[in-house]
Amino acid sequence: DQQVKQNSPSLSVQEGRISILNCDYTNSMFDYFLWYKKYPAEGPTFLISISSIKDKNEDGRFTVFLNKSAKHLSLHIVPSQPGDSAVYFCAGVYNNNDMRFGAGTRLTVKP
Amino acid sequence: EPEVTQTPSHQVTQMGQEVILRCVPISNHLYFYWYRQILGQKVEFLVSFYNNEISEKSEIFDDQFSVERPDGSNFTLKIRSTKLEDSAMYFCASSESFQPQHFGDGTRLSIL
Repeated sequence: DQQVKQNSPSLSVQEGRISILNCDYTNSMFDYFLWYKKYPAEGPTFLISISSIKDKNEDGRFTVFLNKSAKHLSLHIVPSQPGDSAVYFCAGVYNNNDMRFGAGTRLTVKP
Repeated sequence: EPEVTQTPSHQVTQMGQEVILRCVPISNHLYFYWYRQILGQKVEFLVSFYNNEISEKSEIFDDQFSVERPDGSNFTLKIRSTKLEDSAMYFCASSESFQPQHFGDGTRLSIL
């Protein structure tokens, strides 16, 4: 099941800089996208979402961009902080609550 | 902040045995889900549950699996006749409306 792809397994960024996490999808039926953050030994924590009818959603340091024609979305974290170090999962939703996850990208923010 | 709680945090079971994983969703949530994550792989959807019935299930969720909401607070995943490949982290999630889903910290299931 490769409906959601996160091609970068890891990303390392300096504190204060921008982190850009990318996600591609193949299922054109997705009508909602979410980003989750996951720390070791914890469940995924909801971070930010975007409806398929929008191209940008911002919440504090986190912004998600959606390019529907390219079937691509990205999460920008500015400025990055060491506490942002975690695994980030992109997810697409269809039929309102049928969610498919990407494989995740491990973000390391170095002090 | 309300949380989804899962018990136990780690379950060790002999192959062929039945196991029940328990979840207490957030109290005013109406939609419930189970996911699993095999070590080193992605989080995979198993099943969604609404209004006391399964609303969606993946191809993974075969006859070996069942879910139940036995009372007003618990949501359980039963795995009959466990296999080695059932070893994984199992996450429960709930949502008030469709999204976002809120996850528990998972149960690590180890089949020996």
